[in-house]
Amino acid sequence: KQEVTQIPAALSVPEGENLVLNCSFTDSAIYNLQWFRQDPGKGLTSLLLIQSSQREQTSGRLNASLDKSSGRSTLYIAASQPGDSATYLCAPVPLNRDDKIIFGKGTRLHILP
Amino acid sequence: GAGVSQSPSNKVTEKGKDVELRCDPISGHTALYWYRQSLGQGLEFLIYFQGNSAPDKSGLPSDRFSAERTGGSVSTLTIQRTQQEDSAVYLCASSLSGGYGYTFGSGTRLTVV
Repeated sequence: KQEVTQIPAALSVPEGENLVLNCSFTDSAIYNLQWFRQDPGKGLTSLLLIQSSQREQTSGRLNASLDKSSGRSTLYIAASQPGDSATYLCAPVPLNRDDKIIFGKGTRLHILP
Repeated sequence: GAGVSQSPSNKVTEKGKDVELRCDPISGHTALYWYRQSLGQGLEFLIYFQGNSAPDKSGLPSDRFSAERTGGSVSTLTIQRTQQEDSAVYLCASSLSGGYGYTFGSGTRLTVV
């Protein structure tokens, strides 16, 4: 059974800093891994999808890396801005695509202006 | 449609009443998920529909919960005899097929009083 852990659970940093959010998962038989952000009271917005054959994926100030064999993914946010404040969740998608997706509990990020 | 649509966006109901939550996925998406998110908690898997396969109902918390997906499109999550602990945001997501990127709806906030 897949277990997903996200560290830290919460993070407050001043605006402009670069930061790293961590995601670890116990079952490395994944098809891909998706990072989402969730604003308070809202649904989830997809940020990046990284295929299992890829090592990293970039979108603007965001960079996600994937080390499937060690069961780890990181989300790197460069030059953080107050608008980045949200909860970030990772979701490894099972290789058996009939299996359900388990989410981590997320990292609650607060960027201080 | 352009995105995943959920209705109603908010629902307040009295304890003991039945409620129906609706999810209209992106047209052509064969995979559909329901998740529940209680205040300050992570996403709890409820049920997963994939094409014509039997749904994975392993996350439904009790027999008061049921879901159906008609014609491989719209899904309805029904909660019978609602309890206060059912209060949460119910999120629906769809995907082109299992393993592709997931798009979430904005959720239905259910409050049982």
